[in-house]
Amino acid sequence: DVKVTQSSRYLVKRTGEKVFLECVQDMDHENMFWYRQDPGLGLRLIYFSYDVKMKEKGDIPEGYSVSREKKERFSLILESASTNQTSMYLCASSLIDSRDEQYFGPGTRLTVT
Amino acid sequence: AQSVAQPEDQVNVAEGNPLTVKCTYSVSGNPYLFWYVQYPNRGLQFLLKYITGDNLVKGSYGFEAEFNKSQTSFHLKKPSALVSDSALYFCAVRDYNAGNMLTFGGGTRLMVKP
Repeated sequence: DVKVTQSSRYLVKRTGEKVFLECVQDMDHENMFWYRQDPGLGLRLIYFSYDVKMKEKGDIPEGYSVSREKKERFSLILESASTNQTSMYLCASSLIDSRDEQYFGPGTRLTVT
Repeated sequence: AQSVAQPEDQVNVAEGNPLTVKCTYSVSGNPYLFWYVQYPNRGLQFLLKYITGDNLVKGSYGFEAEFNKSQTSFHLKKPSALVSDSALYFCAVRDYNAGNMLTFGGGTRLMVKP
């Protein structure tokens, strides 16, 4: 079974802090994704990566950056956390073929106070 | 641009009755369509997908979905609902020409009452 793990289930940070969310997958997938999930809005793509050191912006990249130094690991960085970044963050991975489904981690619920 | 609409925020059904969760989509090319389920405090789990071929797709846990190109719909169905099917369901679409970016609907909460 594909396993996608995220570094924290719950995280509380203060406004202005730098926040790192980490995601690791164990199935040698080329693609990795970061989404945020908000009630009524579904999932919105922040960034994705199709290879090591490669990244593309999703629908809502403002206020976020990403890093992919190794194939299995994809990090989401909030450079200066703000209260409107309080959300559930989901990481996913998939094979390179766009017909393949994505596999999701359990999510990190981030609260910025 | 690609988009997905799930017109119902919540669907209520009695256990043992058939259920339908609706999804309509918009793409400029050919669609790849997916359904995911999210149980409380869990990530999303893949249920089924339509890529090409037979319009009726069967997936996990007895769910199926019918691709209707003329109505641009991909409704999720199950003949007999279980209380354990209560969860949040997401429809997603990828345009054949749009690479690997999935667009998700807003989600529909399914409540199955005993």
